[in-house]
Amino acid sequence: SYVLTQPPSVSVAPGHTASLTCGGDDIGSKSVLWYQQRPGQAPVLVVYDNGRPSRIPERFSGSNSGNTATLTISRVEAGDEADYYCQVWESSSDQYVFGTGTKVTVL
Amino acid sequence: QGQLVQSGAEVKRPGASVKISCRASGYMFTGYYLHWLRQVPGQGFEWMGWVSPNTGATDSAHNFRGRVTLTTDTSTSTASIDLSELKSDDTAVYYCARADITLLRGVFRVSGFGFGIWGQGTVVTVSS
Repeated sequence: SYVLTQPPSVSVAPGHTASLTCGGDDIGSKSVLWYQQRPGQAPVLVVYDNGRPSRIPERFSGSNSGNTATLTISRVEAGDEADYYCQVWESSSDQYVFGTGTKVTVL
Repeated sequence: QGQLVQSGAEVKRPGASVKISCRASGYMFTGYYLHWLRQVPGQGFEWMGWVSPNTGATDSAHNFRGRVTLTTDTSTSTASIDLSELKSDDTAVYYCARADITLLRGVFRVSGFGFGIWGQGTVVTVSS
């Protein structure tokens, strides 16, 4: 089965940039979606490929190449503290696969 | 925009079944596939299956085939999941989610590539 690997945690100071990675075999050939989940809440879609839902700030952006996809959060704010999950639709198995999640801590 | 509201928490014995509902509002119910996913406490997400409210067609993940039943009621804009033969490791938060993202990289997929709107989650505890 297809596996997506994320670092367990990332720490970033307010106003700085956070780069969250998601590793998978030839992930650059797939569309990657990113979700933010605050404690006790349902996930929120923040990025799909290099697009964003209209309600999501421009500070959130996505990129994807080779074996790594990246979610970049610019000008980090305290409210960005949450768990972030990457997700793909894996065509060979027709399954929706999620990464292991990264906890973002704002210092 | 739309909203999905799920039924309340459930506590079940091993071997029992659980049925969770997901009521949609604010959009055309038959216009989007609905998916079911779960999250084991402290862990990631597991996709369970989808249902088309328009046709009633369903598909489920290999791990759940034979144990999961997905249905919709268009008269009440409600989707439901029925999970049978519960085990302790079915203890999780269960979510319904709308397949908003259907067009990526010029490819259209009616059942969606990902999920734009989620229900609030339903806690299911399986314990003897």
